[in-house]
Parts: sequence; structure tokens; C-alpha cells
Amino acid sequence: SQTIHQWPATLVQPVGSPLSLECTVEGTSNPNLYWYRQAAGRGLQLLFYSVGIGQISSEVPQNLSASRPQDRQFILSSKKLLLSDSGFYLCAWSGRQGSYNEQFFGPGTRLTVL
Amino acid sequence: AQKVTQAQTEISVVEKEDVTLDCVYETRDTTYYLFWYKQPPSGELVFLIRRNSFDEQNEISGRYSWNFQKSTSSFNFTITASQVVDSAVYFCALKSNTGTASKLTFGTGTRLQVTL
Repeated sequence: SQTIHQWPATLVQPVGSPLSLECTVEGTSNPNLYWYRQAAGRGLQLLFYSVGIGQISSEVPQNLSASRPQDRQFILSSKKLLLSDSGFYLCAWSGRQGSYNEQFFGPGTRLTVL
Repeated sequence: AQKVTQAQTEISVVEKEDVTLDCVYETRDTTYYLFWYKQPPSGELVFLIRRNSFDEQNEISGRYSWNFQKSTSSFNFTITASQVVDSAVYFCALKSNTGTASKLTFGTGTRLQVTL
């Protein structure tokens, strides 16, 4: 069966510090991968998605970047965090087009920028 | 452009009551998919159901049931005999049948609080 991992689970970082969140998927090949952010009490905002290694699409301009160095690894980064980067970050995967395309989510990383 | 509206921000019910969560969507696509997710206090989103636009048959899974009506662009979710463990935020989502990535448009969620 497929599983998706995210780490760290929680993170407290000072403004201006760098960020690296990691997501890995097991039990599937060639997944589509996604990064979402959920601000406190808000809905989900799609940040990035990837359909393959090295292929990154950004949905909204922001202080963050994403990379996919391996087929089942998706990394969210920032060089300098802002207060507004605080939130709950969720990674998700889905099958390739032709499948039913529901997304399956990881446990999330709760980021607090002070 | 696609849009999903969950007009109910928060609902409170007493255990064993039935509750319906509303979802209204907008899309110009003739083929699309609708989803419901549950987000318990732990934060992880749990996939509940997918419905294809060409299949309007309603579905029941235990205490959960879903009513899909294309005529009103609605995909409502009913929990029968609610339990405290049903307390969570529920999200409705929409995906069109285009593109290589399964990009979902989420509603803003409905927080359900079930009390004893």
C-alpha cells in the first residue's frame, strides 16, 4: 500500500531563517506531487505541484520554492522565512492522469515563524 | 474558472442527530470529479469519496451518504446518527478532467462539532 511521509511534524523558526520541508511517498511510482498551505482556520491553498522529476509548477507567487530531486521526493524550501509563512503545510500525491485522481495527504508540518 | 462553495462555516449538533454538509460547485467542464475529505484535529486530510460527473447515483457507506445532483450543481454529504468522532473539518473539492496534474479546487470547509 502507499504511504506518504512528511517531516518535521512541527517547526518553530525565526523570521529570516531558511526552511526545508521534506515529503516522500512509498508504494507507488511516477506520482503527481503537491504542496498545500493551510493558514489557521482557513482552507487549503495549492502552492506547487509536480508531474515528474525536476518539473515544478507554481500556483501563487510567494517566498517559497519547491524541488523534486527524486521521483518520490518533494521538498519545500525558503531562503528567508516571513511571518506570513506560518501555517500548516500538507504534501499530497495522486496517480497519473487516467486514474481517478484523488489526492492522498501526508500528516502535515505545522510551521510557526516568530 | 472552477469554484466550490461550502456556505456552512460551522455546524454544532448533539450526538445521534443527523447532519447534512452542503457543497455547491461551479465548472464549465462536462466531465469532472467531486470529492469529500475529512480533516480531524490531528490535521491530516482523509479521503472519503470520489464521484464522477457522469454518475449521479447516490452512495451510502455506513452512516455516511452523499447526494449528487447535477441539476443544482450540488454534492451534499449527510452523516446519520452523528458521533463525537465525526467532529472535524470537512472539505468538498472539484477536479476537471483536463491537465496532467490532478489539481483540486477546495471549498473553505465546514467545521462539524458533535457534542454529547
